[in-house]
Amino acid sequence: EIVLTQSPGTLSLSPGERATLSCRASQSVSTSYLAWYQQKRGQAPRLLIYGASSRATGIPDRFSGSGSGTDFTLTITRLEPEDFAVYYCQQYGSFWTFGQGTKVEIK
Amino acid sequence: EVQLVESGGGLIQPGGSLRLSCAASGFIVSSYYMSWVRQAPGKGLEWVSIIYSGGGIYQADSVKGRFTISRDNSKNTLYLQMNSLRAEDTAVYYCARLRCGSCPFDFWGQGTLVTVSS
Repeated sequence: EIVLTQSPGTLSLSPGERATLSCRASQSVSTSYLAWYQQKRGQAPRLLIYGASSRATGIPDRFSGSGSGTDFTLTITRLEPEDFAVYYCQQYGSFWTFGQGTKVEIK
Repeated sequence: EVQLVESGGGLIQPGGSLRLSCAASGFIVSSYYMSWVRQAPGKGLEWVSIIYSGGGIYQADSVKGRFTISRDNSKNTLYLQMNSLRAEDTAVYYCARLRCGSCPFDFWGQGTLVTVSS
């Protein structure tokens, strides 16, 4: 099983700041089958990024993904108030596993 | 408009059984891969089971032998039969859609809460 470790656990930032979230895999993720999801309190997760760097339909361009192999990053260039949420990475190249999440909170 | 609506959750005693439903609209369930993902209170996401468009089925080790995924094409509905429930199965259960086996979950339902407690 591929284990995904996200860091940091919590990111305290102000609106307008840049957020950088990390996801490290215990083994290489094949063909960059890596996705990022956003989950707001009481809501279902929403797909943001797939294939490590492709934005899902309707996702603003302030969200970007990068990385390959075992190290992946989600960047939010300028945080909007609606971006404060929990973010999960997921690999779907070998069954399906999720990271434990990074909470982006208002500083 | 694509919609997934889960139902069937509730309070159940340990060892009991429950069947969750996920009614789909706006697309044909049998043409997609469909999955169940759960989230224990205050915890992260855990993949539970998947059914391929061709009918193939996989489950996580944590539920193997106890949970069974299925679908009813005539009702365009996905199911999760949960037997021998344990306290650690307490979670919100989401159904989610994938376009293929090596694809992300591109659409999720709002979830249904299952609480296993005496």
